[in-house]
Amino acid sequence: EAGVAQSPRYKIIEKRQSVAFWCNPISGHATLYWYQQILGQGPKLLIQFQNNGVVDDSQLPKDRFSAERLKGVDSTLKIQPAKLEDSAVYLCASSTLGFSGRTREQYFGPGTRLTVT
Amino acid sequence: KNQVEQSPQSLIILEGKNCTLQCNYTVSPFSNLRWYKQDTGRGPVSLTIMTFSENTKSNGRYTATLDADTKQSSLHITASQLSDSASYICVVSAGYGGSQGNLIFGKGTKLSVKP
Repeated sequence: EAGVAQSPRYKIIEKRQSVAFWCNPISGHATLYWYQQILGQGPKLLIQFQNNGVVDDSQLPKDRFSAERLKGVDSTLKIQPAKLEDSAVYLCASSTLGFSGRTREQYFGPGTRLTVT
Repeated sequence: KNQVEQSPQSLIILEGKNCTLQCNYTVSPFSNLRWYKQDTGRGPVSLTIMTFSENTKSNGRYTATLDADTKQSSLHITASQLSDSASYICVVSAGYGGSQGNLIFGKGTKLSVKP
C-alpha cells in the first residue's frame, strides 16, 4: 500500500513570498490533516478535511494560510505572504472514516521542510 | 487546558540498553493515547494506541503502559538498537466513543542510541 505522498520535500523562500505544498493521501482515506511542526515541538493541527469539507480549521491563520481539497482526494496548503515564523515542517496525514467506538489511525507523510529567510 | 508533557526532553543510551520514556497528560475527556516514532526528516509512525481500558500494549521491543488514574504513560524500549534513534511523541486524543476528537501532541523525547 502506498503511503501519504508530499511535495516538495524542501522549500526555501524569502519572507513575503508565497508557497504551496501538495499532499496525496492513502487511497480510500476520507480524512486528511495538515500539521505544522516547528523544530523541537510536536505537530500542531492546522486543518482537517473529511472528504472535501472542512471539519476543523480553528488553528489555521486564515489571513495568510489557505487549504483546499478539491474532489476529496489531493490537497494543497498555501501560505501567502510567508513570514519568518512560518519556518517549519508541514506534515500531511490521512485516515479512514471511523465508526463509533473505533480508533482511527493516522498515517503521516514525510513532510515538507519550509525555510523562510 | 489540555496538555501533554513528556520527559526527558532528550536521552542518550548505549546500544543494547533499555530505556523508559515518560508522558503525563491532562486531557479531558480522554479517548486514547498513542506513541509515535519520528525519524529525522520523516513523518511520525504509530507504535501503539491504547484506550482507557488498556494498561499495556507491546509492539516488538516497544512496550507502552497506561495508568488512567494517574494520567501517566510510559514507553519502554528493550535492547535498544541504533535504529531506535528518533524522537518519540506521546499523543492524547480527546473525545467521546473512541472518535478522532482533538489530538494533543507532546513535544517529544529525542533518543540517541550510541554504539
